[in-house]
Amino acid sequence: SQQGEEDPQALSIQEGENATMNCSYKTSINNLQWYRQNSGRGLVHLILIRSNEREKHSGRLRVTLDTSKKSSSLLITASRAADTASYFCATDTGANSKLTFGKGITLSVRP
Amino acid sequence: KAGVTQTPRYLIKTRGQQVTLSCSPISGHRSVSWYQQTPGQGLQFLFEYFSETQRNKGNFPGRFSGRQFSNSRSEMNVSTLELGDSALYLCASSFLQGIYEQYFGPGTRLTVT
Repeated sequence: SQQGEEDPQALSIQEGENATMNCSYKTSINNLQWYRQNSGRGLVHLILIRSNEREKHSGRLRVTLDTSKKSSSLLITASRAADTASYFCATDTGANSKLTFGKGITLSVRP
Repeated sequence: KAGVTQTPRYLIKTRGQQVTLSCSPISGHRSVSWYQQTPGQGLQFLFEYFSETQRNKGNFPGRFSGRQFSNSRSEMNVSTLELGDSALYLCASSFLQGIYEQYFGPGTRLTVT
């Protein structure tokens, strides 16, 4: 069963705009990660945020985590056509737990 | 450093057959996890191996099995294939056991007819 649920399911924006994707989860977590997948290929790790962190940045990416609302958001600033991909959030509940992925968000960035 | 490699990349099998997929992790990585990805169910965890031992298992029937060798390479096997086993099978490696940044291979696309 899915732990994380991303929202929206699909997002289409113009190049240069910001893209915001949300992830909600059901149970308490230890870490939350975001991954990107290009068209049926392997996933690429983007960022990991721990449950005691509220915000993290990596280049054009900004991730926030609100454990009280059991939600996270991924912001991609100044989007590029190359950002077109599916984005997944993944959560774990501890060192020996499995990583549980959401169903993903399809982002299309129009040139 | 070479990335995670998976072989074969594409496979077509008939219902009832069995299949073995292979995964070579990044050099130095000792943990290998397997995932099944389908349009309907999304990404689902199959199992994780660390130091040749299965450390964690997802909710899949016993037809799905795996193993890890002393060089950290891993194989997964699916016996008595069903149409619903058609999926992209992804392997991921990480340096340590447990929840860390995972490096994914390109996947094996299995089609069962």
